[in-house]
Amino acid sequence: GEDVEQSLFLSVREGDSSVINCTYTDSSSTYLYWYKQEPGAGLQLLTYIFSNMDMKQDQRLTVLLNKKDKHLSLRIADTQTGDSAIYFCAPYTGRRALTFGSGTRLQVQP
Amino acid sequence: DTGVSQNPRHKITKRGQNVTFRCDPISEHNRLYWYRQTLGQGPEFLTYFQNEAQLEKSRLLSDRFSAERPKGSFSTLEIQRTEQGDSAMYLCALGTADEKLFFGSGTQLSVL
Repeated sequence: GEDVEQSLFLSVREGDSSVINCTYTDSSSTYLYWYKQEPGAGLQLLTYIFSNMDMKQDQRLTVLLNKKDKHLSLRIADTQTGDSAIYFCAPYTGRRALTFGSGTRLQVQP
Repeated sequence: DTGVSQNPRHKITKRGQNVTFRCDPISEHNRLYWYRQTLGQGPEFLTYFQNEAQLEKSRLLSDRFSAERPKGSFSTLEIQRTEQGDSAMYLCALGTADEKLFFGSGTQLSVL
């Protein structure tokens, strides 16, 4: 099955850029998603990218996909304290379900 | 607006008891998913419905777990003879035509 790896923790200063990385194993993933989870809450869909794209920009968010290396990243520009949360990478496995990594906890320091 | 309501938000039960969670889509969606999330982990897929048909079940879904979606709208997830290892957040998600999944806020289960 699909394996998804993310670093566990990232700390940045307010106003800096954050880059959250993800590697996955299933090269047939057609869509790759980023979700945000705040404490005690469900998952919020942030953005996604199709596997035939290299980059997608959505306001402060930039998603980069290196399909050859099966590497996905999420860049948050001008990181704010409200961005503090856990971020999950989730490739779509084609069996109509998503596989999630363990998530990266982003801490934004004022 | 894709929304899903889950009830209850929190459930505390004693080991050995049965519990049932409910997921109510606010709008019509053919695909409905159940996921489980334990502390410090990402959500794990449990099962998936296309309308009222349960099309896939994870091997995580032991025979103590059963899910239904009788009319293709709301869904229930029941756990019989709960164990402490069942303590987790149970999340319902709806799938859209463009392959996005939108999650509810979940039901936090604590088995004492």
